[in-house]
Amino acid sequence: KQEVTQIPAALSVPEGENLVLNCSFTDSAIYNLQWFRQDPGKGLTSLLLIQSSQREQTSGRLNASLDKSSGRSTLYIAASQPGDSATYLCAASKDNYGQNFVFGPGTRLSVLP
Amino acid sequence: DAGVIQSPRHEVTEMGQEVTLRCKPISGHNSLFWYRQTMMRGLELLIYFNNNVPIDDSGMPEDRFSAKMPNASFSTLKIQPSEPRDSAVYFCASMPGGGGTEAFFGQGTRLTVV
Repeated sequence: KQEVTQIPAALSVPEGENLVLNCSFTDSAIYNLQWFRQDPGKGLTSLLLIQSSQREQTSGRLNASLDKSSGRSTLYIAASQPGDSATYLCAASKDNYGQNFVFGPGTRLSVLP
Repeated sequence: DAGVIQSPRHEVTEMGQEVTLRCKPISGHNSLFWYRQTMMRGLELLIYFNNNVPIDDSGMPEDRFSAKMPNASFSTLKIQPSEPRDSAVYFCASMPGGGGTEAFFGQGTRLTVV
């Protein structure tokens, strides 16, 4: 059974700092991995989707990498801003329909002005 | 498109009452998912529909929970009778279908059973 963990559980950084969020999964037979952002009281917003054949994806200040063999993904946020404060979740999917999305517990990020 | 629309946003009900949560997926999306989020267990998949057909309901916790998708633009999640331990945020998500597509989530329904 796939298990997804995220470290750290919470992170507080000053504005402008570069940071890395970590996601680990136990079953390397994944189809894709998604990073989501969740603001308090809101739903999840997809940030980046990495297919199993890809090594990384980039969107603006965000870069996500995937290393299937080691069961790890990282989300790199450059030049963090207070507006980046949210909970970041990763989810591993075993197939292309998403019903086997297994979510990590999330990392709660606070960027201090 | 307005995105995935869920209603109500908040629901407070008494134990034993029936609760119905509603979801309108993004037009053209073939897959619809119901998730539950709690502090203790995080996000859990309850049930998944593809082309309006339930594919996997192994995550539905008990017979008290049921879900329907009568057409491509509407789905319901019903809890009857509700219990305090059902208190959680329930999310609906939809996907276009096909390989490697993103999931789009609604704003969620915060359910409190007292």
